[in-house]
Amino acid sequence: GDSVTQMEGPVTLSEEAFLTINCTYTATGYPSLFWYVQYPGEGLQLLLKATKADDKGSNKGFEATYRKETTSFHLEKGSVQVSDSAVYFCALSQGGSEKLVFGKGMKLTVNP
Amino acid sequence: DAMVIQNPRYQVTQFGKPVTLSCSQTLNHNVMYWYQQKSSQAPKLLFHYYDKDFNNEADTPDNFQSRRPNTSFCFLDIRSPGLGDTAMYLCATSLGGGYGYTFGSGTRLTVV
Repeated sequence: GDSVTQMEGPVTLSEEAFLTINCTYTATGYPSLFWYVQYPGEGLQLLLKATKADDKGSNKGFEATYRKETTSFHLEKGSVQVSDSAVYFCALSQGGSEKLVFGKGMKLTVNP
Repeated sequence: DAMVIQNPRYQVTQFGKPVTLSCSQTLNHNVMYWYQQKSSQAPKLLFHYYDKDFNNEADTPDNFQSRRPNTSFCFLDIRSPGLGDTAMYLCATSLGGGYGYTFGSGTRLTVV
């Protein structure tokens, strides 16, 4: 079945550091890909998404590019802030399926 | 402006005592989901409704039931909670086909 593999962490960075969170997927067909963020004690918020190969999703300084050749959707941010401290989940969904398949999540802590 | 609202935010219940969690939406989305998220884990889909059609995941315990009396509301019933059911329960909605997923803030359930 479909699956998502991502860096698990936890990761601690200093403010203004560069962030990369790796995500690769296994799926038949052409899934849509997502990054969700979960702040402490909260539900999940959609951070960005891409629905087809070579699409780039971006939001709040975060970017991820849908790479079909490497089945990847790595999340990057050039300069993290303390407010980016959260858990980040990579996920996919298949057209015609109602399910989101999640990776295990990665906890990021950004120190001032 | 909250679009997917879960009540209560926090719930403590006794071992074996039935509990109901509620979710409402103002988005008029066709699909409503219930996810269980245990500490430091990814959300796990329990079941979903596509309109009135109920779809149970194969590994969802019989102890977990759901009701969707109308488009706006969906309930999660745990008939006899065990200590292992302590978790965050997330409600989500979508337009169908994996589009427009929106999560609520979750209900943190503690079974004592």
